[in-house]
Formats: sequence, structure tokens, C-alpha cells
Amino acid sequence: EVKLVESGGGLVKPGGSLKLSCAASGFNFGSYSMNWVRQAPGKGLEWLSYISGSASHIYYADSVRGRFIISRDNTKNSVDLQMNSLGADDTAVYYCTRGYTEFDPWGQGTLVTVSS
Amino acid sequence: EIVLTQSPATLSLSPGERATLSCRASQSVGHNYLAWYQQRRGRAPRLLIFAASTRATDIPDRFSGSGSGTDFNLTISGLQPEDFAVYYCQLYGGSPLFTFGPGTTVEI
Repeated sequence: EVKLVESGGGLVKPGGSLKLSCAASGFNFGSYSMNWVRQAPGKGLEWLSYISGSASHIYYADSVRGRFIISRDNTKNSVDLQMNSLGADDTAVYYCTRGYTEFDPWGQGTLVTVSS
Repeated sequence: EIVLTQSPATLSLSPGERATLSCRASQSVGHNYLAWYQQRRGRAPRLLIFAASTRATDIPDRFSGSGSGTDFNLTISGLQPEDFAVYYCQLYGGSPLFTFGPGTTVEI
């Protein structure tokens, strides 16, 4: 079974940092591109970042470029999202998802709350 | 920047009825890299359709996608109780690399 499990969410103060991780299983992880997508409370989906299978191509949305860093470890079947300079509008459920042109499957999500 | 517009914002229907959801892109979508997702309340999104018209694995055939260029549709033939959810379209390509539409809520 293909599975993605996010971890690392929680409460963080404005200006703080947090690192999310996504553990993948059930597929040849290094052969697939991975992404992070978030959803603010009551809002729609927002793509944040993409990393290719070999990590040779990385892209970010304008809203997080310069603050967030995506990385992967193909020996551990994991992809991370280092989030810095967090603000209230970064409060959201963060999803890890596999894909190059579309996203499938998705993890269950991890909630990040930015509040003092 | 390509912008996706979904209509209607909310669709009120009864079980057994047919739902037609629209997704319009501000520019032509290359290679029809357009996908549809279903998100039930409190759940992660689920891929329904990719490449505009190809059903994802294990998706019932009451879900169908159509369209090309700038205009795409998702049709649900014979709504089941579990189909009442929010539906998002998503495209690949351009800037940003991936874009989601604002969503259509299908409600009873």
C-alpha cells in the first residue's frame, strides 16, 4: 500500500521555525517527485513546493520562497519542509503528496498553528 | 500567471442527480495537464481525474472529466451520499508550477 505520513506540526510563535517530515512507504520513493501543499482553516488548497526524485529540481510558490526549504532523503524514504520566519497566515494543515503533474496519494496532513 | 476559476461556487443537488462542475483557466493549459480532486470534510484530498479525462485508480465510473484548452468539466452521474464534498481542479505548468482552483462545494 502506498502511504504518506506527515509529522512535525504543532504550535509555534510568530517569527519561529518548524520542520515538517513526511515518511513514505509502499513505492520506489527515489523515482518520484514529491510536493508540499497546505490548506488554511476553511480555505482552499495552496501548492508550496516541489522536489524531483533526485532533488535536482526544486521549486517554490512565491508565498514561501526564501522562507521554506524542501529536502529529501532517498535512503530514508522521507521528504522534509523546513519552515522559517513563520507568520499567522502560515497557519494551515500541511499535506505531503506525490506527483509530477498531479498529486496522488496525499498524506493525512499535519496542523501548524502560528500564534503567540 | 495562470488563474483557475471554478463555477458554481456551490451546487445544491439531491442524491441520484447529475452534477456538472466547471473549471476555466485564464490561459490555455498545455497537454491538458488538468486534474480534479475530491475533499470530504476533515479528510485529505483524493485524486479523481488527471490529464483532463483519465480516471485515477479505483475511482468509480460515475466520475468523468472532459474539456481542453481553457475549459474543463467534471461530471458526476448519479450522485451518491458520499459524493457530497468539495471539488478542486488543479493545473500543472506555468507560474506557479501548480495552481488550484478555489473549489466547488456539492451539497445536498
